[in-house]
Order: sequence, then C-alpha cells, then structure tokens
Amino acid sequence: GNSVTQMEGPVTLSEEAFLTINCTYTATGYPSLFWYVQYPGEGLQLLLKATKADDKGSNKGFEATYRKETTSFHLEKGSVQVSDSAVYFCALNFGNEKLTFGTGTRLTIIP
Amino acid sequence: DADVTQTPRNRITKTGKRIMLECSQTKGHDRMYWYRQDPGLGLRLIYYSFDVKDINKGEISDGYSVSRQAQAKFSLSLESAIPNQTALYFCATSDLGGPYNEQFFGPGTRLTVL
Repeated sequence: GNSVTQMEGPVTLSEEAFLTINCTYTATGYPSLFWYVQYPGEGLQLLLKATKADDKGSNKGFEATYRKETTSFHLEKGSVQVSDSAVYFCALNFGNEKLTFGTGTRLTIIP
Repeated sequence: DADVTQTPRNRITKTGKRIMLECSQTKGHDRMYWYRQDPGLGLRLIYYSFDVKDINKGEISDGYSVSRQAQAKFSLSLESAIPNQTALYFCATSDLGGPYNEQFFGPGTRLTVL
C-alpha cells in the first residue's frame, strides 16, 4: 500500500537557521504530494503541493521539489522564524482522493 | 467566521457512553472526512463522504459511525466509547477530486475517554 515516511522529531532550531524536513514515499504510480502545517491549537492547513515529477511547490518561504527518482518531497526553508514553530505533515494522494499522511514532525524555533 | 467548525472542542467522557462529534462547513464542499490524530501516528481516516448519499469507511472505522445530515453537516458517533478512542479528532472538507484535492480542516475536538 501507499505510505509516507517523515524524519522523526522533534526538531529544534535557532531563528534564521536553515530547515530541512525529510519526506519519502512508497506508492505504485505517481501520486500528488503535499505538505500540511498544524499550528498550536489549530487544524491542519495546506502549506504547499506538487502534482507531478520535478514540480516545485512553494509558499511562505518554504519549498519542496517532487523527486521521482528518489521518491522524495523534502521540505526546506532558508531562514526560519519563531512563527514557523508547528507540526509539519507530508501527505500523498492519487485519484481516489484519500490522503495518506506521514506521522508529522514537530518543529520548534528558538529566538 | 471559520469555514469548518467542530463541536465540542473538548470532551471528557466515561467508558461505555455514547458520544457525538459534529462538523459543519460553510465552504459549499461536497466531500467531508473524519480523521483521528494520535501522537506518533499522524492522521488516520475514519470515514468519508463524497455527497449526502455516499458514506465510505476509512482505514479505522471500527467502533465509529457517521451521519451526513446535509451537505454542510457530517457527524461522527462513538456508540460505546472506550479509552483507546482518546484522541484528537478532525473534520475536513474538499471540493475537487483528482490530484488537486486540497482538504480544509476544522480546529479539532479533543476527546478523552476515562
């Protein structure tokens, strides 16, 4: 079946540090890939997405590139802020529309 | 006002009690979903509905039931709650299917079963 594997957290970084959260997937075929973010006390919200190989999703300074050859969709940001502290979920889906989520990575940014 | 609302936001109950969690949306979406979130397990799909007459089981439907009362309302019931149903429950909606399936989430209901 389909699955998503994320780097385990928690991740703690200083403000302005470079961020990478790894995500790899297992699927037959070519799914669409997503990063969702969950801020404290809130539901999940879509951060960015990519629907085909080599697509780059970007939003709020975050980027992720759909790498078919390595079945990866790593999330990156060049300079994190305290307000980026949240839980980040990688997810995939196919045309059946059910999202498969990774386990989430908790990110804490310290001033 | 929030597009996807959930009530209650927090609930503590006892083993064996019947519990209903409610979800309402003003986005006009046809598709609605119920997930539970557990530490270290991410989100797992309980039930989903593509329209009022369509209800489907997700990966962990045992012990749960749902009702789609209208396009805007999707309720989750625990007929006889047990402690391992303690979790954070999220409702979500989506409009288009296929590869652009962005889901919009409610704020969650924290359920504790004693």
